[in-house]
Amino acid sequence: GAGVSQSPSNKVTEKGKDVELRCDPISGHTALYWYRQRLGQGLEFLIYFQGNSAPDKSGLPSDRFSAERTGESVSTLTIQRTQQEDSAVYLCASRRQPNTEAFFGQGTRLTVV
Amino acid sequence: AQKVTQAQTEISVVEKEDVTLDCVYETRDTTYYLFWYKQPPSGELVFLIRRNSFDEQNEISGRYSWNFQKSTSSFNFTITASQVVDSAVYFCALSEPDMIYNQGGKLIFGQGTELSVKP
Repeated sequence: GAGVSQSPSNKVTEKGKDVELRCDPISGHTALYWYRQRLGQGLEFLIYFQGNSAPDKSGLPSDRFSAERTGESVSTLTIQRTQQEDSAVYLCASRRQPNTEAFFGQGTRLTVV
Repeated sequence: AQKVTQAQTEISVVEKEDVTLDCVYETRDTTYYLFWYKQPPSGELVFLIRRNSFDEQNEISGRYSWNFQKSTSSFNFTITASQVVDSAVYFCALSEPDMIYNQGGKLIFGQGTELSVKP
């Protein structure tokens, strides 16, 4: 596609429910990244994929968080048993080469009530 | 370990003033890449510049300029004659090649500097 696409753009969920966030990277981009941005804060690294493998998932906050990528394309970030502190904007980015810039999606704003 | 520090949390200037945003990084690698991004109030992240570790030449693009100093591990960003439209959060980022795949690697961001330009 023309850009990185994330869905849904907004998600309100009840505490304790599971949520799935989707990212469609730019076609041909082998690296894909997930970040969390709390209100007024910086970008917190969660996980990155090279192809369908995740060489670094050190940023996942707890075992309630997981992510997968298939077909070297779409990625899904799953948060189980959501908590209020999970409320944030979740950003996805992709890039083609190690020396190129990453392109970001518009993010999914998750609100846990 | 890989780390990016933007010590200035908030900066406020009056239009037409020059302003410099600081970025200090830590890395174990000799090959790495540095980036600056802008996040305006609308929220989308906009790429501004990239620099590889072997190119210390400073760069100027219009009112923007970047000063890369390997000796001090810094990659500072200066806006000349600032404008209200420059108001945004600016992020510095560092990428090290992945040792296993020799590919993109982890991309780490600093905490950001919020720039407010007042008329």
